[in-house]
Amino acid sequence: DSGVTQTPKHLITATGQRVTLRCSPRSGDLSVYWYQQSLDQGLQFLIHYYNGEERAKGNILERFSAQQFPDLHSELNLSSLELGDSALYFCASSPVPAGEQFFGPGTRLTVL
Amino acid sequence: AQKITQTQPGMFVQEKEAVTLDCTYDTSDQSYGLFWYKQPSSGEMIFLIYQGSYDEQNATEGRYSLNFQKARKSANLVISASQLGDSAMYFCAMKGHQAGTALIFGKGTTLSVSS
Repeated sequence: DSGVTQTPKHLITATGQRVTLRCSPRSGDLSVYWYQQSLDQGLQFLIHYYNGEERAKGNILERFSAQQFPDLHSELNLSSLELGDSALYFCASSPVPAGEQFFGPGTRLTVL
Repeated sequence: AQKITQTQPGMFVQEKEAVTLDCTYDTSDQSYGLFWYKQPSSGEMIFLIYQGSYDEQNATEGRYSLNFQKARKSANLVISASQLGDSAMYFCAMKGHQAGTALIFGKGTTLSVSS
């Protein structure tokens, strides 16, 4: 158990819908990262937050957004969902941006 | 651009044998970190081992060691005395200055350990 929690574990929804994925980092970790793992794209970095501020963006679509709250939990919002958004979404945390990243169990999103 | 290459889609090994999973990387950064993660069929990503670009010694963590050859830009994972529970997907990743603090992953190698 990495200490990073993600909810929900599984999510099944329809095209065009909007979903929110939630992540709670390890106690004391200020950095939260979001990654997407799909069969065709592999593991890709989406976005990084540090202590509430956006620090870096990767291959994140405009339909996706994220935020980190004062209690350091983070949410990833995915809207206008398409079939190709079906993937495993990971959250990872680290105490400082340059530190090791510890991954949560992931949220498996299925868009039908 | 930074890139991680894992050329072995699948590896097969018997219990108690050692296995090497290959990883080569490309970066123009002088300072970077190399990581290996294990992903069992349950899906979670488990951190295994880390090597910093300025570390002179190869990293070791229990049965895992990282064979770091900086001039060749390779960071192979060596698993000694394989166990059935080692069957999983293994990802090599790097983190460097150019990419900020995000990890860049290879496509992974599936390791199958048989009895």
